[in-house]
Amino acid sequence: KQEVTQIPAALSVPEGENLVLNCSFTDSAIYNLQWFRQDPGKGLTSLLLIQSSQREQTSGRLNASLDKSSGRSTLYIAASQPGDSATYLCAVMTTDSWGKLQFGAGTQVVVTP
Amino acid sequence: DGGITQSPKYLFRKEGQNVTLSCEQNLNHDAMYWYRQDPGQGLRLIYYSQIVNDFQKGDIAEGYSVSREKKESFPLTVTSAQKNPTAFYLCASSTEGGGTEAFFGQGTRLTVV
Repeated sequence: KQEVTQIPAALSVPEGENLVLNCSFTDSAIYNLQWFRQDPGKGLTSLLLIQSSQREQTSGRLNASLDKSSGRSTLYIAASQPGDSATYLCAVMTTDSWGKLQFGAGTQVVVTP
Repeated sequence: DGGITQSPKYLFRKEGQNVTLSCEQNLNHDAMYWYRQDPGQGLRLIYYSQIVNDFQKGDIAEGYSVSREKKESFPLTVTSAQKNPTAFYLCASSTEGGGTEAFFGQGTRLTVV
């Protein structure tokens, strides 16, 4: 069964520093990996979707890499801002799970001014 | 605006009651999902539906029921058989099962009183 782990569980950085968030998964037979942002008491906002054939995806200050063979993905957020404070979740869709996402527990990020 | 609408935002349930959470999407997506989120844990799949009039159990279906009579709607009923229903419930949709991006609603917080 696919297991997804996110380390660290919480992270605090001063404004302007780059953020590095890690996600690991145990089964490399995946369709894709998706990164989400969740603000307190809110739903999930999709940040980046990486297909299994891709090595990375970029959107503005966000860059996500995928290494299927080692079961890892990293989300980089450049020049962090207080508005980046949120919980970041990664989710994996395996090839035998038809659309069902397996989630990590998330990394709670605080960016201090 | 295209998106997923969940209602109500907050719901209170008395012991022994059944309650129904609403999820409506206008994205023309075939697939819809219900997830449960507990503090400090990743999201867990309750039920999913690939097409109208068809749905399957997820990892934690006991105590829940769903219907899919219309493409746009996927309501979730939390029955009295669910012993620990207090949680944050999230509805999602995607165009198809494999390899496509999932979009989420804003969630319903259910509390047992």
